[in-house]
Amino acid sequence: EDQVTQSPEALRLQEGESSSLNCSYTVSGLRGLFWYRQDPGKGPEFLFTLYSAGEEKEKERLKATLTKKESFLHITAPKPEDSATYLCAVQGMDSNYQLIWGAGTKLIIKP
Amino acid sequence: DAGVIQSPRHEVTEMGQEVTLRCKPISGHNSLFWYRQTMMRGLELLIYFNNNVPIDDSGMPEDRFSAKMPNASFSTLKIQPSEPRDSAVYFCASSLEAVDTQYFGPGTRLTVL
Repeated sequence: EDQVTQSPEALRLQEGESSSLNCSYTVSGLRGLFWYRQDPGKGPEFLFTLYSAGEEKEKERLKATLTKKESFLHITAPKPEDSATYLCAVQGMDSNYQLIWGAGTKLIIKP
Repeated sequence: DAGVIQSPRHEVTEMGQEVTLRCKPISGHNSLFWYRQTMMRGLELLIYFNNNVPIDDSGMPEDRFSAKMPNASFSTLKIQPSEPRDSAVYFCASSLEAVDTQYFGPGTRLTVL
């Protein structure tokens, strides 16, 4: 069964304290892995798509990496405005539209 | 460019009433998705349209839920009659093609009393 598990459920960091969020997945052939950011009261906002092991993508203080079993979202020197829930989703080769979603990691950056 | 547009943003209704949620996808996108998000179950796909045709409605919880897409720029999700357990945030998302990145609207927060 296709599955996505995100850890930790919640993470509190001081401003400037770098860390990583984890997204572990099991899927019969990966078509793509997606990272989204969701602020309270808003819809998920697209961040990155990763397609193959070894791929990396960066945007400002965020860097996403992918292996055959998991993806990491690295946050370098975070600021309070990086506080949000980060969602991970995978799309398998046997589906051309279905996304399997993780429960998300709630990130809080304290000034 | 305008993103996905949803209305209303908030809806409070009483049990038994009909509720209609509206969505305008990004122009040029041929795939449209309706999701429901709750604390307990996270994001759940309710229905998927491709070129205005419903392809997968297996996530629609009951016959009380129905969705239509009369044209490429408009879709509705209707709940009749509504029940308190339908309280959730409903999102519409669209993508250029089915396999592409899904872009979400701001959501409709539904409260059924």
